[in-house]
Amino acid sequence: QQQVKQSPQSLIVQKGGISIINCAYENTAFDYFPWYQQFPGKGPALLIAIRPDVSEKKEGRFTISFNKSAKQFSLHIMDSQPGDSATYFCAASMKAAGNKLTFGGGTRVLVKP
Amino acid sequence: DTEVTQTPKHLVMGMTNKKSLKCEQHMGHRAMYWYKQKAKKPPELMFVYSYEKLSINESVPSRFSPECPNSSLLNLHLHALQPEDSALYLCASSQGRATSNTGELFFGEGSRLTVL
Repeated sequence: QQQVKQSPQSLIVQKGGISIINCAYENTAFDYFPWYQQFPGKGPALLIAIRPDVSEKKEGRFTISFNKSAKQFSLHIMDSQPGDSATYFCAASMKAAGNKLTFGGGTRVLVKP
Repeated sequence: DTEVTQTPKHLVMGMTNKKSLKCEQHMGHRAMYWYKQKAKKPPELMFVYSYEKLSINESVPSRFSPECPNSSLLNLHLHALQPEDSALYLCASSQGRATSNTGELFFGEGSRLTVL
């Protein structure tokens, strides 16, 4: 019930293309869904987050789409740049479990120039 | 640059050594966390401190001993570790109580630990 499944495991996209990462969850008690970006040798950094009462959130080139009925959410990176090459983790948390994040398995994104 | 500072960045220790990892934040956050991350895997929660009190221990072996001396500092004491404990150890902090559920954790860059 705590699992968050993330796909694909890795992704190669050309510069200017769209990167799409998908996550699915099982526990409907989750009420906060952040995405973290991690560069090699660095700690994860919050990229963008959404709550289930919103179906879409956009910040710059990054957009989260949320489908509550399907228990799925996705990250779209528009106009992908080589500097976006990193590992992306989706996550979920619920108030009842404190600020405990359940992470997806991660997606390694490589943007080719 | 991250506002959560971890030292040392790299640590090599033998299985009989005693060492400590340190974490410091000056954002006024009252919840602090230790995570362990293996290569190509997501971070795994180890401990949570909320208002300097241990609120979550994810069944971590006693060879890992956390300490929160004050609201800005978090230590992880290491003793008699095993080679499989080699990993990146991440400290994180968040505002307010750990139950405030913003999910907005601020991570440090981590301490890469190698146990020989």
